[in-house]
Amino acid sequence: NAGVTQTPKFRVLKTGQSMTLLCAQDMNHEYMYWYRQDPGMGLRLIHYSVGEGTTAKGEVPDGYNVSRLKKQNFLLGLESAAPSQTSVYFCASTSKLAGGNEQFFGPGTRLTVL
Amino acid sequence: GENVEQHPSTLSVQEGDSAVIKCTYSDSASNYFPWYKQELGKRPQLIIDIRSNVGEKKDQRIAVTLNKTAKHFSLHITETQPEDSAVYFCADVEKGTSYGKLTFGQGTILTVHP
Repeated sequence: NAGVTQTPKFRVLKTGQSMTLLCAQDMNHEYMYWYRQDPGMGLRLIHYSVGEGTTAKGEVPDGYNVSRLKKQNFLLGLESAAPSQTSVYFCASTSKLAGGNEQFFGPGTRLTVL
Repeated sequence: GENVEQHPSTLSVQEGDSAVIKCTYSDSASNYFPWYKQELGKRPQLIIDIRSNVGEKKDQRIAVTLNKTAKHFSLHITETQPEDSAVYFCADVEKGTSYGKLTFGQGTILTVHP
């Protein structure tokens, strides 16, 4: 089992460029999440998905879009990158369990927007 | 929305000492409280968790205590070792149809000096 994987690991963008981050999990988890991690601010939820074909906004969704066409994949898109989106992005997944369960994180993507 | 406050932001101890990190939460409906450890450049990983029907849980050198009345929970690490040096995050999950969404604290940088 690979667990949760993310591509790419690193990326540098210029302001206004677009890109897509890919998250994949092989644990058959129903729930998937995208977080951003900034110094001193912990992990903040961008968007999440509770199943194939469904997505919802998290705490900081502005400037991002997501899609979950397949259960195992969760894509995060930046349509027009801004320097404020410089961050480390983590994907996570968990099985469906009322009241919470362990989330498994991917290795992260370090994004720099110039 | 839910708010989780974590203290201290940095903690420095000598090897063999104990370390305590405390978190307070705002939503009385929260019922699951995990702790994640993140080593430098790595992904967050669950180290221990507790549910609201339990007051304390131990796993070797780590323990978590929960005070539902005061709405706070704490991570206790005894006999600290240099490999315990990392960033520790607390989190909570709201009871009910929250789809496992975690609200994280800001993190504590723990340094264990040999």
